[in-house]
Amino acid sequence: GNSVTQMEGPVTLSEEAFLTINCTYTATGYPSLFWYVQYPGEGLQLLLKATKADDKGSNKGFEATYRKETTSFHLEKGSVQVSDSAVYFCALNGGKLIFGQGTELSVKP
Amino acid sequence: GAGVSQSPSNKVTEKGKDVELRCDPISGHTALYWYRQSLGQGLEFLIYFQGNSAPDKSGLPSDRFSAERTGGSVSTLTIQRTQQEDSAVYLCASSLSTDFSNQPQHFGDGTRLSIL
Repeated sequence: GNSVTQMEGPVTLSEEAFLTINCTYTATGYPSLFWYVQYPGEGLQLLLKATKADDKGSNKGFEATYRKETTSFHLEKGSVQVSDSAVYFCALNGGKLIFGQGTELSVKP
Repeated sequence: GAGVSQSPSNKVTEKGKDVELRCDPISGHTALYWYRQSLGQGLEFLIYFQGNSAPDKSGLPSDRFSAERTGGSVSTLTIQRTQQEDSAVYLCASSLSTDFSNQPQHFGDGTRLSIL
């Protein structure tokens, strides 16, 4: 069946550091891939998406590329800010969302 | 507002009681989903509705859980004879369709359910 595996957290970085959160998936067919973010005390928000191989999703300085050959969708940001502190979820859409376990990011000033 | 609306935002109840959670999706969205977020299990799919089709109930953890969607809009998730392990945040989401291709799901803020 479909599944998503994310890098375990928590991840603690200093402001302006480079961020990578790894995500790999197992799926039949060609699902769409998403990153969702949950800020403290808030609901899940869509961060970015990619719908086919080699697509790059981007938003708010975050990027992720749909890599079919490595079945990956790693999230990256070149320079994190304190306001990026949140829990990040990788997900694939096979009609219903299958989520990774979430990665908590904490950015220190 | 134009987002997914859930009520109540918090619910505390005694073990053994029944609870009803409500979700009002984004207007025009034909697909509606329920998920559960708990510490031990992460984010789990429960059930989804798409238009007039039979719902996919494959994620419901037991027969104490049921959901309805009346008139293709508002949905109610019912948990009967609640147990302590039912304590979680129940999230509702909606999307334009369940088309695999690219439709993102938009989430409500959730109902935090606590079973005493």
